[in-house]
Amino acid sequence: AQSVTQLGSHVSVSEGALVLLRCNYSSSVPPYLFWYVQYPNQGLQLLLKYTSAATLVKGINGFEAEFKKSETSFHLTKPSAHMSDAAEYFCAVSEDTDKLIFGTGTRLQVFP
Amino acid sequence: NAGVTQTPKFQVLKTGQSMTLQCAQDMNHNSMYWYRQDPGMGLRLIYYSASEGTTDKGEVPNGYNVSRLNKREFSLRLESAAPSQTSVYFCASKYGKEAFFGQGTRLTVV
Repeated sequence: AQSVTQLGSHVSVSEGALVLLRCNYSSSVPPYLFWYVQYPNQGLQLLLKYTSAATLVKGINGFEAEFKKSETSFHLTKPSAHMSDAAEYFCAVSEDTDKLIFGTGTRLQVFP
Repeated sequence: NAGVTQTPKFQVLKTGQSMTLQCAQDMNHNSMYWYRQDPGMGLRLIYYSASEGTTDKGEVPNGYNVSRLNKREFSLRLESAAPSQTSVYFCASKYGKEAFFGQGTRLTVV
């Protein structure tokens, strides 16, 4: 069965520092992978998605993620954190079905 | 350009009461979903509907029922609410591989 694991429920960085949010997936078939962001009291917004094209995926707000099949990973990165990046981030996986399964989320704090 | 609309935004129920959460999308998407979000547990899939007239159980379907009334609307019903169903509920619709979410319904069962 498809699943994702997000390592670290909370990540804190200084403004301008590298952001790295980890996601590992489990899937019996080549998966589709997603990162979503949730700002306080709002719904989820798609940051980026991997759908078997390029392994390095660029998203909105300067975020990117790299699909590594050998490591079953899809980590999210941003070279330089901004205060406005503070939010909760969710990794999600979908096999060739309509199910979309989420990880438990990582809350990102950015300090000045 | 409404997208996915959920009603109500907030609700307080007493244990044993019933209610229906409404969801409508205006994007002509085939697939619709109901999730619940709880602290430390992320979003868990309750039910989903791949197309009008079909529904399937997700990860945590117990205590819930759904109706795909037409292509636009997908409702979630709690027949006898329990405190364990206190949560934030999100509806989503999907086009291709991208899901679009509503703003959520915050439900408290006392």
